[in-house]
Amino acid sequence: DAGVIQSPRHEVTEMGQEVTLRCKPISGHDYLFWYRQTMMRGLELLIYFNNNVPIDDSGMPEDRFSAKMPNASFSTLKIQPSEPRDSAVYFCASSSFGVAGEPSSPLHFGNGTRLTVT
Amino acid sequence: RKEVEQDPGPFNVPEGATVAFNCTYSNSASQSFFWYRQDCRKEPKLLMSVYSSGNEDGRFTAQLNRASQYISLLIRDSKLSDSATYLCVVNNRGSTLGRLYFGRGTQLTVWP
Repeated sequence: DAGVIQSPRHEVTEMGQEVTLRCKPISGHDYLFWYRQTMMRGLELLIYFNNNVPIDDSGMPEDRFSAKMPNASFSTLKIQPSEPRDSAVYFCASSSFGVAGEPSSPLHFGNGTRLTVT
Repeated sequence: RKEVEQDPGPFNVPEGATVAFNCTYSNSASQSFFWYRQDCRKEPKLLMSVYSSGNEDGRFTAQLNRASQYISLLIRDSKLSDSATYLCVVNNRGSTLGRLYFGRGTQLTVWP
């Protein structure tokens, strides 16, 4: 299995530009998570999906952030317009959970997208 | 109060030393517990799950104390390759089914 695949690996953009991050989860995993990691705040959950449906987006910082999962094998996280404070590493992760939310597989992370907004 | 709290360290220990990390969680209904390891500029990876009775994987021992709501990770005979950040992770049941809470991580450096 190729694991969780994220693209791009690095993104440098200017303030105000639109940024789109992409993720392909592991086949068969029905949960997909988007995390953001910074030195100051650690790993923060932005949003997660179950069977392509957003379950909890309370971690999305503001309306500039949006996420979609049009099918079981693809998700995007979009920032429009981007700001310097959005600079971080964005991780996508996938997993599957069994009965009552007990993980039937560990959370698998992609390599992350390192975003720099100047 | 944060869901999961860890001592950020850093812990600097010589090769061969024994080192222990603790982590506390705030939700008494938490059901699943894990330790993840994250190398510099890499993604987090599962190190081990933590079971109620405690469990061991080679040089690594994880323990859970539900009464005090803390989890521990013990590393014996530290190796240089153990240098990384160790993340404590908790899964809660209920309305946030499937949601994992990560601690900020404890940084470990093992020196020769």
